[in-house]
Amino acid sequence: AQKITQTQPGMFVQEKEAVTLDCTYDTSDPSYGLFWYKQPSSGEMIFLIYQGSYDQQNATEGRYSLNFQKARKSANLVISASQLGDSAMYFCAMREDNYGQNFVFGPGTRLSVLP
Amino acid sequence: NAGVTQTPKFQVLKTGQSMTLQCAQDMNHNSMYWYRQDPGMGLRLIYYSASEGTTDKGEVPNGYNVSRLNKREFSLRLESAAPSQTSVYFCASSEGEASQETQYFGPGTRLLVL
Repeated sequence: AQKITQTQPGMFVQEKEAVTLDCTYDTSDPSYGLFWYKQPSSGEMIFLIYQGSYDQQNATEGRYSLNFQKARKSANLVISASQLGDSAMYFCAMREDNYGQNFVFGPGTRLSVLP
Repeated sequence: NAGVTQTPKFQVLKTGQSMTLQCAQDMNHNSMYWYRQDPGMGLRLIYYSASEGTTDKGEVPNGYNVSRLNKREFSLRLESAAPSQTSVYFCASSEGEASQETQYFGPGTRLLVL
């Protein structure tokens, strides 16, 4: 079974608008972490934001925020005020305490920001 | 502070040839990882090293070997390359294995096996 699901293969957003990238996950481990990475066309993997399973508040990092709904097992990334430089692949990933060596990645969502 | 570095950036091999991908980190991290990225599949773990002196298989270890040379360096070896190993290879490191530990990635190595 897929542990990380990203149902949007591609998304378009107008510059300066907000966009939400979906991520749902599956785990029975009570302690886990959720991560979002950005991969621009140059290929590097850039860490964006982290949410812990026990965190009471949604994580925020600048223009990035994570809409964490634990009961629904979703961890959606919200990018506010999109910029052309936000065009990239975005990967959701999970790390479980019982399987700490393993980062499980979703298939990714390609975001295109339109001028 | 270079973070995670990988060499080479690009490599073309013929089927059956061998090569070693090098990875080094300067963040004093304990854990290091090798992933491969294939189109439409995200990243999959090949091998990891929880700490210096230990290595373990990940999801897709067949056809690969690794060496944790010291705390800084973790190499990936293809003994007899196959076309199915054409991929982009990423090395990553993290301070430890706990679920809150972020993994930081190198720039990747693009490998083409003919």
